[in-house]
Amino acid sequence: SQQGEEDPQALSIQEGENATMNCSYKTSINNLQWYRQNSGRGLVHLILIRSNEREKHSGRLRVTLDTSKKSSSLLITASRAADTASYFCASTTDSWGKLQFGAGTQVVVTP
Amino acid sequence: GAVVSQHPSRVICKSGTSVKIECRSLDFQATTMFWYRQFPKQSLMLMATSNEGSKATYEQGVEKDKFLINHASLTLSTLTVTSAHPEDSSFYICSARVSGGGTDTQYFGPGTRLTVL
Repeated sequence: SQQGEEDPQALSIQEGENATMNCSYKTSINNLQWYRQNSGRGLVHLILIRSNEREKHSGRLRVTLDTSKKSSSLLITASRAADTASYFCASTTDSWGKLQFGAGTQVVVTP
Repeated sequence: GAVVSQHPSRVICKSGTSVKIECRSLDFQATTMFWYRQFPKQSLMLMATSNEGSKATYEQGVEKDKFLINHASLTLSTLTVTSAHPEDSSFYICSARVSGGGTDTQYFGPGTRLTVL
């Protein structure tokens, strides 16, 4: 079963704007990760945030984690057309590292 | 960086036949690999955890006799869809886990599009 929900389901923005998407999960987690998937392709790992971390940056990406609200957000700053993709959060809850994926947010960045 | 390959990338087969999908970690060893299924415009659903040298662990609702998983080496896991039916048509994605040294990341293959006629 899917661990979490994401909103919005779809997001359409123009180049240069920021894109923010949110993810909620249901059970306690070890860490939470964000992935990008271009249409019909595999997933690309973007960033991992541990349960004891609150914020993390990587280039134009900023991830926050609020364990009290069981939620995370991904911010893409100064978006580019190449950022067009689906974005998924995924959490791990066990020592095997099994990922439970959220429903995903489809982002379209128009030039 | 860590690269995971899948073969084939696309396969079309007739109903009732079996299809084997390979997942390889090209430049690293992975004791744990995972198999996911993704239907159009949906998220990834974990099917099973594949551990090198031992039986795979299947998620609830996934038939182990239908989806045979073999993880014979530290760089190769295979998923065989037996007696495939049209409802098995989907995008199958594998991942290989790299953990330790403060990291725990899964590297995903490019996926295999299975179409059962």
